[in-house]
Amino acid sequence: NAGVTQTPKFRVLKTGQSMTLLCAQDMNHEYMYWYRQDPGMGLRLIHYSVGEGTTAKGEVPDGYNVSRLKKQNFLLGLESAAPSQTSVYFCASGGTVNYEQYFGPGTRLTVT
Amino acid sequence: TQLLEQSPQFLSIQEGENLTVYCNSSSVFSSLQWYRQEPGEGPVLLVTVVTGGEVKKLKRLTFQFGDARKDSSLHITAAQPGDTGLYLCAGSGGTSYGKLTFGQGTILTVHP
Repeated sequence: NAGVTQTPKFRVLKTGQSMTLLCAQDMNHEYMYWYRQDPGMGLRLIHYSVGEGTTAKGEVPDGYNVSRLKKQNFLLGLESAAPSQTSVYFCASGGTVNYEQYFGPGTRLTVT
Repeated sequence: TQLLEQSPQFLSIQEGENLTVYCNSSSVFSSLQWYRQEPGEGPVLLVTVVTGGEVKKLKRLTFQFGDARKDSSLHITAAQPGDTGLYLCAGSGGTSYGKLTFGQGTILTVHP
């Protein structure tokens, strides 16, 4: 099992460009999450999904959109990137008991 | 809003020393989880505690859930350089359906 995979691992964008981060999990988990991690800020939840076709806003959703068309995939989109979105992005998946989460390796995004 | 406060924020110790990290809240949680994150990687789940007063051991790591399920501690005995990393506590339950409340984390450095 690959667990949780994220694509790409690194990306540099210019202000105003758009991109999509892909997260895939092979553990048949119902729940999936997107976080960003900045120095001194811990993990902040952007959006999450409690099932295929459903999404919900987290703590810092502005500037991001998500979609979960298939149970195993969770996409995070940036429509018009801003320097404030420079961060490391983590995807996680988890089950319905205690919401234990399994994280991907992260995507390091720089917006210039 | 549920909050989890971790202390200390930073911990720098010598190999062989013992340490304790605390995770406190005014809210009751259904479960408390501890994650460890090494540089450049995603967080990895170490343990979940679900019963008030519960103690779990993982080799040199001892995890405790408070009797009132509002706090938790992580104790490491005879720390080793391989224990270096960011330790995060996270709680489930209460008003946060489908998602975890994360603490800000404790950065542990163990010097050889």
